[in-house]
Amino acid sequence: NAGVTQTPKFQVLKTGQSMTLQCAQDMNHNSMYWYRQDPGMGLRLIYYSASEGTTDKGEVPNGYNVSRLNKREFSLRLESAAPSQTSVYFCASKYGKEAFFGQGTRLTVV
Amino acid sequence: AQSVTQLGSHVSVSEGALVLLRCNYSSSVPPYLFWYVQYPNQGLQLLLKYTSAATLVKGINGFEAEFKKSETSFHLTKPSAHMSDAAEYFCAVSEDTDKLIFGTGTRLQVFP
Repeated sequence: NAGVTQTPKFQVLKTGQSMTLQCAQDMNHNSMYWYRQDPGMGLRLIYYSASEGTTDKGEVPNGYNVSRLNKREFSLRLESAAPSQTSVYFCASKYGKEAFFGQGTRLTVV
Repeated sequence: AQSVTQLGSHVSVSEGALVLLRCNYSSSVPPYLFWYVQYPNQGLQLLLKYTSAATLVKGINGFEAEFKKSETSFHLTKPSAHMSDAAEYFCAVSEDTDKLIFGTGTRLQVFP
């Protein structure tokens, strides 16, 4: 019963490098989300996907791209990482009005 | 646009004391409201949710929240704090869309 699985759990990048954060859910949920969590700022919505094949910008989309590969998977890509993107990233999926979260990816950009 | 405001980034209580965490929302339509809890180095777990049924909502671990439309509030309470309640708590709002917007969080400390 995995729920929402994020990989990797930790990552250190150099400024300008690219990487993709992976997220998969096994609950057959239509909606999936990417958030970033920073001290004192709570969780801010980066992008979300209401269904397979659709994506929409959230509150802080700049510097990120997403792909809803299929119903299970929703990836977040940083094309050129910046120190301001140092954060903890959470993926979530939603059934009805309840969201289920992964364990997070701690990303440091140096 | 929907938003939530959590008053007080840190709240400290003694074990056995009342817990009160404040949340006010802004929404152009009747909202759905949530409280989530985050323990250290973990993801978020749903405590309770308001979806336009009863205004007093009971959740897990003895927590409850009351939806007050006149005050645009959804404060979280627990009559008697336990050491295990120490965590960060987030209020969230969703309108009739797929967006789920969070507040900035309140860190609860419980002292023996």
